[in-house]
Amino acid sequence: QSALTQPASVSGSPGQSITISCTGTSSDVGGYNYVSWYQQHPGKAPKLMIYDVSKRPSGVSNRFSGSKSGNTASLTISGLQAEDEADYYCSSYTSSSTLFGGGTKLTVL
Amino acid sequence: QITLKESGPTLVKPTQTLTLTCTFSGFSLSTSGVGVGWIRQPPGKALEWLALIYWDDDKRYSPSLKSRLTITKDTSKNQVVLTMTNMDPVDTATYYCAHRPRFGNWFDPWGQGTLVTVSS
Repeated sequence: QSALTQPASVSGSPGQSITISCTGTSSDVGGYNYVSWYQQHPGKAPKLMIYDVSKRPSGVSNRFSGSKSGNTASLTISGLQAEDEADYYCSSYTSSSTLFGGGTKLTVL
Repeated sequence: QITLKESGPTLVKPTQTLTLTCTFSGFSLSTSGVGVGWIRQPPGKALEWLALIYWDDDKRYSPSLKSRLTITKDTSKNQVVLTMTNMDPVDTATYYCAHRPRFGNWFDPWGQGTLVTVSS
């Protein structure tokens, strides 16, 4: 099983919105509504931002939202803030394992 | 409050076996639906899922590393142990353990991670 495909980098200005894509197959992203997203600041452990495609854990800003269409999931961050600058990873459940994406570096200009 | 902390050697030699322990609090691995997973991250690279153990001792492994990994739990000690055999310099990474919520398919929260370097 290959890792999920994410763009290496995205950027946006404060206040803008950005979207990070996560492409898999019908055996992972497309086959289950079990996509999660993690934010990782340098030197820190990953933090859950979205689970089950579009659900937000308590305490996560509503500026973060998730969606899925076919084999591609997306994370959208609206009203970009400086503290959103981080690496973002998608993850998908499969019947036998868990997959992560290659990660996307978000730069807030 | 759920917390997890990884412990183990910071340096191992090639061909040796790595043993990492995840000690957690705030939940029980005897609770139906709960799990603990291991994920690693080589310096400057992406996350890679390694293994997962559930409350009922069901175990899942990364297909690419399955032959080298063993995951076990000690419910009485609130610990999960991961062993990885035949270590190689490419296995140098920060190793994280993380909580899998009851019947959930995500990891939250994660431990702080422990950096393991493989070098002679």
